[in-house]
Amino acid sequence: EAQVTQNPRYLITVTGKKLTVTCSQNMNHEYMSWYRQDPGLGLRQIYYSMNVEVTDKGDVPEGYKVSRKEKRNFPLILESPSPNQTSLYFCASSYKSWAYEQYFGPGTRLTVT
Amino acid sequence: QKEVEQDPGPLSVPEGAIVSLNCTYSNSAFQYFMWYRQYSRKGPELLMYTYSSGNKEDGRFTAQVDKSSKYISLFIRDSQPSDSATYLCATETGGGNKLTFGTGTQLKVEL
Repeated sequence: EAQVTQNPRYLITVTGKKLTVTCSQNMNHEYMSWYRQDPGLGLRQIYYSMNVEVTDKGDVPEGYKVSRKEKRNFPLILESPSPNQTSLYFCASSYKSWAYEQYFGPGTRLTVT
Repeated sequence: QKEVEQDPGPLSVPEGAIVSLNCTYSNSAFQYFMWYRQYSRKGPELLMYTYSSGNKEDGRFTAQVDKSSKYISLFIRDSQPSDSATYLCATETGGGNKLTFGTGTQLKVEL
């Protein structure tokens, strides 16, 4: 089954404790992206990757890091999480650079206290 | 001003009604226009996309883009309770790198 998986699905952590949210896709997609979704603000892009070792900032990259060492994986790293990073996070992927046809993962709900 | 504006709703309609969901955008460079559907506690899924102005139909769904007025619409005919979800409009400049989403309209179709 073609899918995007994220882990963990739910995470409660404390300020400053480094964490990684994993994202993996099995569709051989070149393009992958991370979003956060907040009430009243909608989905906002954090980082995206056009291919292995190629990443770029989205609209809200501050406080986040990403890496793309393998085509299927695109982890999101929060080096020092803060409460304003409490949000619902989605990973997405698409074929080549067809960003309009993105497949989204199930989401990771992160709470930073 | 947000690049893509969308009424958050909620919008409540009876089963069988025709639903009209709308977005406006400000950047004339946008070329691709998408509608995503998001069920509660799920990730968004692509419903349909259009390129430039015009209409596109897929079953009970019709997407319409008017670039002259920077207006995007999604029509749902014969709405069903299973259509109850949040509908997100999105745009993309054609460079293929980035989507800009509206905040979503919550739709409830009641029996």
